[in-house]
Amino acid sequence: DAGVIQSPRHEVTEMGQEVTLRCKPISGHDYLFWYRQTMMRGLELLIYFNNNVPIDDSGMPEDRFSAKMPNASFSTLKIQPSEPRDSAVYFCASSLGVLWRNTGELFFGEGSRLTVL
Amino acid sequence: GENVEQHPSTLSVQEGDSAVIKCTYSDSASNYFPWYKQELGKGPQLIIDIRSNVGEKKDQRIAVTLNKTAKHFSLHITETQPEDSAVYFCAASIPNAGNMLTFGGGTRLMVKP
Repeated sequence: DAGVIQSPRHEVTEMGQEVTLRCKPISGHDYLFWYRQTMMRGLELLIYFNNNVPIDDSGMPEDRFSAKMPNASFSTLKIQPSEPRDSAVYFCASSLGVLWRNTGELFFGEGSRLTVL
Repeated sequence: GENVEQHPSTLSVQEGDSAVIKCTYSDSASNYFPWYKQELGKGPQLIIDIRSNVGEKKDQRIAVTLNKTAKHFSLHITETQPEDSAVYFCAASIPNAGNMLTFGGGTRLMVKP
C-alpha cells in the first residue's frame, strides 16, 4: 500500500485566499484524522471521521476551517479565508479500528506545509 | 480531557549512549501509549506502543516502560546511532472517549557521532 497520500506537499498563498488540502487514506481504513503541527502548539487534532462521518470537530479553530469526507478514499480540509496564523504543517492520518484496541495504529501522511503571507 | 507532558524538549547524546524520554499523563483511564518518531520533512511514524495491561515492552534497541500508578511512561533507546536523530512524540488514548490520541510536546533527540 502507498500509505496516506496528501497534496499539495507545499502551499504558499496570500492572506484571504482559499486553501484546500487533500488526503487519500490507506485503503480499508475506517478512521481519518486531520492534525495541525506548529512549533508553539505541537500536534493538534482538528477533526476526525469514522466511515466518512465527522465524529469530533472540537479541534477545528473557527468557522474558517471546514473538512469533508465525501467517500472512503478522499477527504479535504479547507480554509477560507486563510490568515498568516494558519501557517503550519497539516497532517492527515488514518487507522483501521480504534487506536486503544489491540490492532489500532495511526498512520500519518507526509504532511502539507502551508504558508500564508 | 487528557493532558500529556513530555520531557526533555531537547536531548543530545553521544553515539552509543542511551537516551531516555519521559511522559506523564493526567487521566488514569488512559490505556494506550504509543511513541512516534518524526524525521525532518516527514510525518510521524509509530515506533513502539504499550497498553496498560503490561509494564514494559521491548523491540531491539527500543523499550517503553509504563507506571500506571504514577501515570508516567518512558521511552528508552540504547546504543544510539546518528539515524536515531529525530523528534519523538509520546501520546495517550482514553478508551470509550472517542478514537483520539493526545500528544506530548515532542523531544528533539540529537545523536552526535
